[in-house]
Amino acid sequence: KQEVTQIPAALSVPEGENLVLNCSFTDSAIYNLQWFRQDPGKGLTSLLLIQSSQREQTSGRLNASLDKSSGRSTLYIAASQPGDSATYLCAVPAMKSSGDKLTFGTGTRLAVRP
Amino acid sequence: GAGVSQSPSNKVTEKGKDVELRCDPISGHTALYWYRQSLGQGLEFLIYFQGNSAPDKSGLPSDRFSAERTGGSVSTLTIQRTQQEDSAVYLCASSSYGTANTEAFFGQGTRLTVV
Repeated sequence: KQEVTQIPAALSVPEGENLVLNCSFTDSAIYNLQWFRQDPGKGLTSLLLIQSSQREQTSGRLNASLDKSSGRSTLYIAASQPGDSATYLCAVPAMKSSGDKLTFGTGTRLAVRP
Repeated sequence: GAGVSQSPSNKVTEKGKDVELRCDPISGHTALYWYRQSLGQGLEFLIYFQGNSAPDKSGLPSDRFSAERTGGSVSTLTIQRTQQEDSAVYLCASSSYGTANTEAFFGQGTRLTVV
């Protein structure tokens, strides 16, 4: 059974700092990995989808990397801003035999201080 | 529509009553998912619809929970005889084919409070 872990659970940084969020998964046979952000009381917003054949994916100040063999992904946020404050979640889809559903990590709660 | 739409955004109900939660996926998306997020907990998979295939109901916590998807589009999650432990945010997502291939997009959720 796939298990997804995110560390740290919470992070507080001053504005402008570059930061790295970590995601690890136990079963390296994944199709892809998706990063989301969730604002308090809101749904999830998709940030990046990185396919298993890719090593990284970039969108603006965000860069996600994937190392399947070691079961890890990182989300790099450059020049953090207070508006980046949210909970960040990573998720991987189950392999077909287990049905097509996402297994989520427990998230990293990020606070960016002005 | 432009995104996944869920209604109502908030629902307060008395214990023992039935509730219906609605999800309107992105037009053309064949895959639709329901998840539940309890306070301070991670996302829990409930049910998955893919086209005309039989739904994957493996995550439904009890027989009080059911869901349907009419015409391959709108989905309704029904909770019968609600209990206080059903209080949570219920999130719906859709993807153009399935998450093994494509991104999942989530709605804003329905916050259910059972009093």
